[in-house]
Amino acid sequence: GNSVTQMEGPVTLSEEAFLTINCTYTATGYPSLFWYVQYPGEGLQLLLKATKADDKGSNKGFEATYRKETTSFHLEKGSVQVSDSAVYFCALSEGSSASKIIFGSGTRLSIRP
Amino acid sequence: DTEVTQTPKHLVMGMTNKKSLKCEQHMGHRAMYWYKQKAKKPPELMFVYSYEKLSINESVPSRFSPECPNSSLLNLHLHALQPEDSALYLCASSHPRGGAELAKNIQYFGAGTRLSVL
Repeated sequence: GNSVTQMEGPVTLSEEAFLTINCTYTATGYPSLFWYVQYPGEGLQLLLKATKADDKGSNKGFEATYRKETTSFHLEKGSVQVSDSAVYFCALSEGSSASKIIFGSGTRLSIRP
Repeated sequence: DTEVTQTPKHLVMGMTNKKSLKCEQHMGHRAMYWYKQKAKKPPELMFVYSYEKLSINESVPSRFSPECPNSSLLNLHLHALQPEDSALYLCASSHPRGGAELAKNIQYFGAGTRLSVL
């Protein structure tokens, strides 16, 4: 079945450091890929998306590229801020109809001032 | 606007109580979802409504009863819950009537209702 694997946390970085959170997936067909962010005590926010191979999603300085050849969708940011501290979920959509999103286990990110 | 509104934000209930969670979206989305999220875990799908009809029930116990009164509203009725049902309950919506997002199942989430069952 479809699945998403992302790097275990927690990840702790200093402010202005470079961030990479790895995500790989297993899927049949051509899923859409997402990164969601969950700030403490809040719901999920869609951070960025990519709906076909080689698409690059970007938002708030974060980027991720849909790599079909390596089945990956790694999240990157060039210079993190304390306000980026949150849990990040990589996810894929199984299809075009209303269906479940498959989430990774989540990666907790903490940024030190 | 990509807003999904959930009420209440917090809810404490006893095991014999009956309560309801509410979710509303005005984006013209045709699919709505309930997810349950336990601490330090990803969300787990409970129910999916597509065009106001229940299309997926992930074997959820009958003490959880979903309802979709119209295309903008989604309720989750709770009765005789157990302490292990304490969690964050998230609503999401997707599938506008048209446009590029139609075929991509891009789901937008609300802020959730944090439920404690005593």
